[in-house]
Parts: sequence; structure tokens; C-alpha cells
Amino acid sequence: DQQVKQNSPSLSVQEGRISILNCDYTNSMFDYFLWYKKYPAEGPTFLISISSIKDKNEDGRFTVFLNKSAKHLSLHIVPSQPGDSAVYFCAAAGDSGNTPLVFGKGTRLSVIA
Amino acid sequence: EPEVTQTPSHQVTQMGQEVILRCVPISNHLYFYWYRQILGQKVEFLVSFYNNEISEKSEIFDDQFSVERPDGSNFTLKIRSTKLEDSAMYFCASSEQQLNQPQHFGDGTRLSIL
Repeated sequence: DQQVKQNSPSLSVQEGRISILNCDYTNSMFDYFLWYKKYPAEGPTFLISISSIKDKNEDGRFTVFLNKSAKHLSLHIVPSQPGDSAVYFCAAAGDSGNTPLVFGKGTRLSVIA
Repeated sequence: EPEVTQTPSHQVTQMGQEVILRCVPISNHLYFYWYRQILGQKVEFLVSFYNNEISEKSEIFDDQFSVERPDGSNFTLKIRSTKLEDSAMYFCASSEQQLNQPQHFGDGTRLSIL
């Protein structure tokens, strides 16, 4: 039961370029979406979120885009930096964030200097 | 920046023993959660807790599991009789009582059942 899917297990990007991480979901009750970054031996760190009333949210180098009709969201990181190398998890919740998070499997981003 | 803290960072326990994992959520947060991640798998929801009671739980959270908020700061997960398949990273999270607020996670407890 994969309600949240991250189909790319890994991604390599040159430093300074754009990283684009993708996520698809199947449950139309989800209305709040989040991206987390995770380093080894640490917990998921919240990066950025978006509610379903928006189609874009930007915070510094990070932008999340939501396409509700396609049930697709993406995280853009620009410019990518070596410190961005980590596993990125997409997560979704319903009821404006008041239901438990459903996570994707994660995408390992490697930013090469 | 306030953070969720979890202890211990690593717990090794014999199968069949009880284990208690501890969490101190962010102080003004009112929603608390436990998740787990078995090696190589997704992060999975276990239980949520609000107003001193369980608000939601998953199929994983069976009678062997319990949660408690024994005082104003700690939030604990107890596994009564551990099984080999309980070996995982256990993450505690907390969030504010408002719409569209992110959950903030601790660094987890690695539970190893022998």
C-alpha cells in the first residue's frame, strides 16, 4: 500500500546546479505535504511544506511545487550544495496536517563538488 | 532552536524483555507521535497522542505497545515483551496545535533485539 511514492532511490547533481526530487501520492484525502531531510544517525529534519490550497511554496534555496490534478509534488533545490547530500523524504497528511504522516521511501541526493 | 530529544540513542535488549523508550517533545507542542523505521524500509506511523490519550494508532501498535506521558515533559513508548521484529529505529515527533504545522522529529532510538 504505497500511498506516497518516491520512484527515484538516488540522484546525483553537480554543485551549483538544480536538484529536483519528485513524489507522487494516491490518496486524494491528503491536503498537507512535507519534505524532510535525513542524515545518517539523525532523525528527519523538517525542510518545507505546502498545503493543498497552494501550488508553490518557497523558502530560500528550497521550493516545493504541488500539482493536485496529477497528485504530484516536487522539491527544487537551487543552487545545490555539498551539504545538501542526504536522504530526502516526502510525507503527506490529511485533515490539514492533523492525521499521521505517511512517508515515501526516500531519495538519496548526492551533490558532487 | 527547540528540539525533540530521545533517550537512549541505542538500546540492546534480549527478546521477551520489556523496553521503555523516552522522549522529551518540544515544550509548547501538544501533539505527540511515535514512528519507527525498520532497516531499509519506510518510516511508519505507530501512534499519536493528544490531551493525555491516544488519538490514533496503526495496526503495528498492538497490545504489546503502550504510551504514557508520566509528567509534563516526558513521553514514553513501552514494548512489553520484545520480539526480534521489533528491531528498528524509533522516532518520536511533536507538533503544535494548529492547522498545517509540521511534525518535528527527534534523532531516534536504535532498538536492537537479540
